Amino acid sequence: DQQVKQNSPSLSVQEGRISILNCDYTNSMFDYFLWYKKYPAEGPTFLISISSIKDKNEDGRFTVFLNKSAKHLSLHIVPSQPGDSAVYFCAASESLAGGTSYGKLTFGQGTILTVHP
Amino acid sequence: NAGVTQTPKFRILKIGQSMTLQCTQDMNHNYMYWYRQDPGMGLKLIYYSVGAGITDKGEVPNGYNVSRSTTEDFPLRLELAAPSQTSVYFCASTQRQGDRTYFGPGTRLTVT
Repeated sequence: DQQVKQNSPSLSVQEGRISILNCDYTNSMFDYFLWYKKYPAEGPTFLISISSIKDKNEDGRFTVFLNKSAKHLSLHIVPSQPGDSAVYFCAASESLAGGTSYGKLTFGQGTILTVHP
Repeated sequence: NAGVTQTPKFRILKIGQSMTLQCTQDMNHNYMYWYRQDPGMGLKLIYYSVGAGITDKGEVPNGYNVSRSTTEDFPLRLELAAPSQTSVYFCASTQRQGDRTYFGPGTRLTVT
């Protein structure tokens, strides 16, 4: 039972264009969502997050959009740079406000982003 | 401030052998986790701890054991290694629910 799904295994974009990575979830209890970036032979590093009380969060070139009714979130990278080439993981957590998830994360399968110069 | 460190980086085990993966964090975080990542898959939670002396199972705990005697250390023990435990193992920590989670660089384990 895959509660967080990233249906695109890979994405290829040209430098300077927009990259859009998508993520769907099925668990209605998820209320905190994160994107992680992972280079080969390294651990995932935090990129950006959004709580369910918002529908958009921006940090520089990175914007995450959340559509709760569709149980869908997306990460936009504008403009894309060759250094953005990595695997991107979507992750979700339950009960941000005083719950008992203890920060446990449920991950999607990842999307390999390649940005061509 | 080194963050989350893991040793070893690589290890090859024979079926039936045992080993301990070490994890240390220097951020004084309460919560610590062990995840595994199989090829083409996302990370899956093996065990987690909410403080020294408190541990609990995650999604895929079978074949593993953990202990948390100090805030800093959270070792993962593999008993009777099996080929299905071939994976990359990541240790992680966070201060509280809702904070960002920091990951170690990973241990690549092969069981043959």
